[in-house]
Amino acid sequence: DAKTTQPPSMDCAEGRAANLPCNHSTISGNEYVYWYRQIHSQGPQYIIHGLKNNETNEMASLIITEDRKSSTLILPHATLRDTAVYYCIVRGLAGGTSYGKLTFGQGTILTVHP
Amino acid sequence: DTEVTQTPKHLVMGMTNKKSLKCEQHMGHRAMYWYKQKAKKPPELMFVYSYEKLSINESVPSRFSPECPNSSLLNLHLHALQPEDSALYLCASSQVGGPVTQYFGPGTRLLVL
Repeated sequence: DAKTTQPPSMDCAEGRAANLPCNHSTISGNEYVYWYRQIHSQGPQYIIHGLKNNETNEMASLIITEDRKSSTLILPHATLRDTAVYYCIVRGLAGGTSYGKLTFGQGTILTVHP
Repeated sequence: DTEVTQTPKHLVMGMTNKKSLKCEQHMGHRAMYWYKQKAKKPPELMFVYSYEKLSINESVPSRFSPECPNSSLLNLHLHALQPEDSALYLCASSQVGGPVTQYFGPGTRLLVL
């Protein structure tokens, strides 16, 4: 699975959009981009994933560049409860020797301020 | 319902004790996972079960023994642990095949004295 690079920390004002970048320059054609977050001392929470097209759900939007080498997770109206570590993970379809494996990087600590 | 439950929430054990961690899901997922997370570090995969059979063991020491008695349950048996095994142990589950999304439980925080 491709390696990802994220900034170690970011700040955001409550009510504003939080834009979290992720670089994955070695991504291959069949690898998906996943985003999870982990609020302090809780289990990781799935946010969103995508392959090529931009994706949106009730939690966030995922923007993937045309060359797929980077992506941005957008929380449109950040709240204090969005303070967490956000992980960007790239992985292929389940199967083969990498079956089911999520490889977490260091992630980005997002702090939302009042 | 995307809930994975784990018991106990907290566990303190001595190095000579035997204990078990339990994980349960009722989403019909046929893949289940154990991860270990040390303080201020990302989760690391330990084991993967697919259709109740062990698919991946990430070179985990034998003092950790996983078990998947049925499609809804996953156990992690602990024996003769070391203090450095103190960590948050996370269970997850997912469908099998395709761009699977893993759903995590809240974890068991283990302290080995």
